[in-house]
Amino acid sequence: SAVISQKPSRDICQRGTSLTIQCQVDSQVTMMFWYRQQPGQSLTLIATANQGSEATYESGFVIDKFPISRPNLTFSTLTVSNMSPEDSSIYLCSVELTGRSTDTQYFGPGTRLTVL
Amino acid sequence: EDQVTQSPEALRLQEGESSSLNCSYTVSGLRGLFWYRQDPGKGPEFLFTLYSAGEEKEKERLKATLTKKESFLHITAPKPEDSATYLCAVQAQGGSEKLVFGKGTKLTVNP
Repeated sequence: SAVISQKPSRDICQRGTSLTIQCQVDSQVTMMFWYRQQPGQSLTLIATANQGSEATYESGFVIDKFPISRPNLTFSTLTVSNMSPEDSSIYLCSVELTGRSTDTQYFGPGTRLTVL
Repeated sequence: EDQVTQSPEALRLQEGESSSLNCSYTVSGLRGLFWYRQDPGKGPEFLFTLYSAGEEKEKERLKATLTKKESFLHITAPKPEDSATYLCAVQAQGGSEKLVFGKGTKLTVNP
């Protein structure tokens, strides 16, 4: 597996502001992912971030709202822009590790965001 | 569209009372089915990957099984430390690494 850390672990923000979440992994990985977990809902993929290329966004998520950086093989950031209360959620990064017979995603501890 | 439905939403067991959690899925070609455990305030912790119908995997008191339409997570003689939310996810064939998750089953094991 991998050791994944996220900063901040939680934050309370005002409407209209932006927050950047950092994800750091202890080994080099090609694929990193950002998910959202809203209360009572399932984890939903926001985007896939590969080093050296533009992030790929899922339907319903746009780059202007959730810009992502992937400057190297161990680090990524997700920014939640122009926040509204509907953005209150847990944001999780994950990395994919390739084994002998499996590609498995391992998750960070999450960032709990509350927007007032 | 790929979908995952987990049942029940919540389950309360007495310590030692075995039971099963269900994960029904529809996917355009299954690449893998994943089980995770999530404790409050933490990220999901990987448990198992299943690839084909008939496959089974075990870890301590947990055993996961897979059919063409559903997966079961069997919990044998659970302990209070097994209390958590169990998440099921599918990954479809076709190149995307995307995981599609169910909403989870919240398991509480009382001493």
